[in-house]
Amino acid sequence: DAGVIQSPRHEVTEMGQEVTLRCKPISGHNSLFWYRQTMMRGLELLIYFNNNVPIDDSGMPEDRFSAKMPNASFSTLKIQPSEPRDSAVYFCASSTGLAGGYEQYFGPGTRLTVT
Amino acid sequence: QQPVQSPQAVILREGEDAVINCSSSKALYSVHWYRQKHGEAPVFLMILLKGGEQKGHDKISASFNEKKQQSSLYLTASQLSYSGTYFCGLNNAGNMLTFGGGTRLMVKP
Repeated sequence: DAGVIQSPRHEVTEMGQEVTLRCKPISGHNSLFWYRQTMMRGLELLIYFNNNVPIDDSGMPEDRFSAKMPNASFSTLKIQPSEPRDSAVYFCASSTGLAGGYEQYFGPGTRLTVT
Repeated sequence: QQPVQSPQAVILREGEDAVINCSSSKALYSVHWYRQKHGEAPVFLMILLKGGEQKGHDKISASFNEKKQQSSLYLTASQLSYSGTYFCGLNNAGNMLTFGGGTRLMVKP
């Protein structure tokens, strides 16, 4: 299996621009998680989906962030407009069940830099 | 609320042992442990479920004390490949994991 796939791997953009991060979970996994990692705040859960339905988005920092999962093999995280404080590594992870009892497989991450 | 991990960093010589602790102020249902190498994604090590179990694989094992709301990761006879940052992820309620701040482990020859 190819594992969780994320694109792009690196993104550099200017403040105010729209940014779209993409994720393809492992085939057969029904839960998908978006995390953000920074030195200051560590690894934070932004939102997670189960069977393509958003279950909890309480970690999404503000309305500038949105996430979708139109089908079982694709999810996007969009930031519009982007700000320098959004600079971070964004990870997508998938699992065969919900967080408590199932291991999560992380993608390689997207390193976002907003100038 | 973020779990508390200790120590924040540790340096070992190859062959030495280490213990990493993770504690929560809330009741725990499960504990996950992950290792992340610099510039890479976190990689799953093990899950411990409610019930005070211990798990191990190779020379890395962990315990989970739900009454004390804490978990410990034990690294025995450390190898160079053990270097990285170790994170505990706690499931307090619902289906989310909350990760600790990480413990940076460096194993030197």
